[in-house]
Amino acid sequence: DAGVTQSPTHLIKTRGQHVTLRCSPISGHKSVSWYQQVLGQGPQFIFQYYEKEERGRGNFPDRFSARQFPNYSSELNVNALLLGDSALYLCASSYWTGDTEAFFGQGTRLTVV
Amino acid sequence: AQSVTQLGSHVSVSEGALVLLRCNYSSSVPPYLFWYVQYPNQGLQLLLKYTSAATLVKGINGFEAEFKKSETSFHLTKPSAHMSDAAEYFCAVSVLGNTGNQFYFGTGTSLTVIP
Repeated sequence: DAGVTQSPTHLIKTRGQHVTLRCSPISGHKSVSWYQQVLGQGPQFIFQYYEKEERGRGNFPDRFSARQFPNYSSELNVNALLLGDSALYLCASSYWTGDTEAFFGQGTRLTVV
Repeated sequence: AQSVTQLGSHVSVSEGALVLLRCNYSSSVPPYLFWYVQYPNQGLQLLLKYTSAATLVKGINGFEAEFKKSETSFHLTKPSAHMSDAAEYFCAVSVLGNTGNQFYFGTGTSLTVIP
């Protein structure tokens, strides 16, 4: 069975640009969460989506937004990129929002120059 | 509020020696606790989880962890280190709230195995 897939795996953007990251959850999973992992730190919660609705939001600026599609895949969008947005962005899927376990994708490595 | 503290950002052990990675948590509600492993340029792989059943939890690759409520700890151990265990290890607490399930991660412990 396919696990959580994220695309692209790597990308480089310039300050001020916009970026879209994509995530496909495990088949049958309806909840997707996004995490930011800055080098040398643990992942930080950004968003959780379930049934196309935002169910949780971490302490991130409004430049960060996300959405979930009818097939439960998700996009994370970041506007007006800053150097500090350089990080590994991880997507996690779970069956529902109350599921105690989440399965993580390989991540997207974003470098802002 | 929920938080996780991992003592020791870097741990080195000899191959065949005991591995002990420390994790203390703070949670206002009964927690679910996890250990994840991350290899270079990869995502997180679940090693084991505690969900209020047995306090001694066995995971993959010979790892285990013991939940001690009185000490608010969830330390990860492995009797004999292998070279392939070299990686970054993250302890996490998961709490179910009104907005669903959110993970809080520690800052990680980098494990080096010396041949």
